[in-house]
Amino acid sequence: GENVEQHPSTLSVQEGDSAVIKCTYSDSASNYFPWYKQELGKRPQLIIDIRSNVGEKKDQRIAVTLNKTAKHFSLHITETQPEDSAVYFCAASVGGSYIPTFGRGTSLIVHP
Amino acid sequence: GAVVSQHPSRVICKSGTSVKIECRSLDFQATTMFWYRQFPKQSLMLMATSNEGSKATYEQGVEKDKFLINHASLTLSTLTVTSAHPEDSSFYICSATTGGGVGEQFFGPGTRLTVL
Repeated sequence: GENVEQHPSTLSVQEGDSAVIKCTYSDSASNYFPWYKQELGKRPQLIIDIRSNVGEKKDQRIAVTLNKTAKHFSLHITETQPEDSAVYFCAASVGGSYIPTFGRGTSLIVHP
Repeated sequence: GAVVSQHPSRVICKSGTSVKIECRSLDFQATTMFWYRQFPKQSLMLMATSNEGSKATYEQGVEKDKFLINHASLTLSTLTVTSAHPEDSSFYICSATTGGGVGEQFFGPGTRLTVL
């Protein structure tokens, strides 16, 4: 089955800096890669996603890049703010299946 | 749109009792719902996939007689933790998809279960 590795497990940055979280996947058939943000005690919420026919997608301060050949994808957050502090999960799923495999999560801490 | 509710949000029970958690899709029909378990500071662990009108598909290592899942309608799935023990204490989250191809999962707010 699919295996998703996520790094780093913890990321601490100063407000205004950029943050990058990286994930790798094992199943070359995976074609949907969502990123979720989960605040403490709350539900995960989709912040951005990318499909395998696209190499990069951007939404304001958030961007995701995908390298299908290397089987890795990354989340980029620019101009970080304290409210960006949360746990971020990457995931990968195979076309035709809704069941994503989640990474272990990255705890992002943005210091004011 | 695409709102998923979960009830209760928090439950405390005695060891040996059973607890039922409901997951509802409020504004869409969910052919498939998922149940996850999350330990503190850990990732989401998929427990089972629930399909309306059929038996749930459990992930390896998840006891189907311990965690009973029923998906009676396109908007409701229930998870019953039977004969709960302290080690069952966890955060349980459901999710649902709107259907048709690969797409976003919408998560419920989660249920914090504490077994004394």
